[in-house]
Amino acid sequence: AQRVTQPEKLLSVFKGAPVELKCNYSYSGSPELFWYVQYSRQRLQLLLRHISRESIKGFTADLNKGETSFHLKKPFAQEEDSAMYYCALKGQGGSEKLVFGKGTKLTVNP
Amino acid sequence: EAGVTQFPSHSVIEKGQTVTLRCDPISGHDNLYWYRRVMGKEIKFLLHFVKESKQDESGMPNNRFLAERTGGTYSTLKVQPAELEDSGVYFCASSQVTTPVLSGYTFGSGTRLTVV
Repeated sequence: AQRVTQPEKLLSVFKGAPVELKCNYSYSGSPELFWYVQYSRQRLQLLLRHISRESIKGFTADLNKGETSFHLKKPFAQEEDSAMYYCALKGQGGSEKLVFGKGTKLTVNP
Repeated sequence: EAGVTQFPSHSVIEKGQTVTLRCDPISGHDNLYWYRRVMGKEIKFLLHFVKESKQDESGMPNNRFLAERTGGTYSTLKVQPAELEDSGVYFCASSQVTTPVLSGYTFGSGTRLTVV
């Protein structure tokens, strides 16, 4: 079964500290993974996708198939990074749906 | 371009009543999706339209939920009769490209539904 687990409901760090938001997945085959973010009073939006191997707003995420993880990292957190972060997995069988985790609320304190 | 528009933004109804949520996708977007987040749980897929056709409705919870997409433009999601467990935030998203997941959806702001 496809599943995405984000073990931390809340995460609080100080500005300038490193941050890591954890994501583990369950999937048969080659997964396609994403991070979505929702800032306060804004819409859910795509942050990054693993196939692009991109860095967006200083965030990176590496797919680790051995550990079935796709953790989101940033070396120096900023206050504007405070938001709700969702890890998501593309559905199997040609489906275009996303399977989301429950989300992690990140708070970056000054 | 105008974004994905959902209304109402909030709706409070009594158990047993009917509610209709509406989503206007970005003009020209063939793919339209409905998701919902029930309190304390993950955002879950409900269904996917390609133009006016239902491509995947595997996430629809039961037959109290009816989704339509008239002429391949806007979409409605009707809940009839509403139950307490239907409370949550209903999101709509749209995308034009043939691989919308890889390219990323554009989400609406969501409709917060409260059934009392």
